[in-house]
Amino acid sequence: NAGVTQTPKFQVLKTGQSMTLQCAQDMNHEYMSWYRQDPGMGLRLIHYSVGAGITDQGEVPNGYNVSRSTTEDFPLRLLSAAPSQTSVYFCASSFRQGGGGELFFGEGSRLTVL
Amino acid sequence: QKEVEQDPGPLSVPEGAIVSLNCTYSNSAFQYFMWYRQYSRKGPELLMYTYSSGNKEDGRFTAQVDKSSKYISLFIRDSQPSDSATYLCAMTSNYGGATNKLIFGTGTLLAVQP
Repeated sequence: NAGVTQTPKFQVLKTGQSMTLQCAQDMNHEYMSWYRQDPGMGLRLIHYSVGAGITDQGEVPNGYNVSRSTTEDFPLRLLSAAPSQTSVYFCASSFRQGGGGELFFGEGSRLTVL
Repeated sequence: QKEVEQDPGPLSVPEGAIVSLNCTYSNSAFQYFMWYRQYSRKGPELLMYTYSSGNKEDGRFTAQVDKSSKYISLFIRDSQPSDSATYLCAMTSNYGGATNKLIFGTGTLLAVQP
């Protein structure tokens, strides 16, 4: 049981490049989400999904796209990278949306945009 | 003003000390309160979960919620070097306790010196 797996762990991009951060979970969780963590800002929700085929925006969605074609996978796409997107990105999943269900986090993907 | 305020620290204590970590919040609708622990270069993991007011104890950890003061605390007794981590508070309101509405504090960095 691997939990939540994120790849890559580290990535350096140039401004304007695009890339996809991968996230997979093997716990059959319906709820998946992407956060970014920046110093002094805490964890901020980018996008989330309550099940396959259903996604919605979080607090800071601009510049990012997501899709959820399977229960297991929830990739995050950066369309045209900007230095402001330099951050640590965490994927998280939960058994359910309601009741403040426990979030299980991946180990993070550290992105630098030059 | 942020919805959730948390002193970033760092907080340095000797091994065996009692540690008090705190968060204040402004939204009186918050009903679900959590503490996550995040080791360096890892994802956060759920440490404690409480619903509404009161205390909850789990081994050396006690979570306390004072809704009248909009103040939550995490106490660590007999602190150990392995407790060195960043502690994030998180909370959400009572409309199903929606996971996508979880608001995180910025985290307090704790160092327990042997």
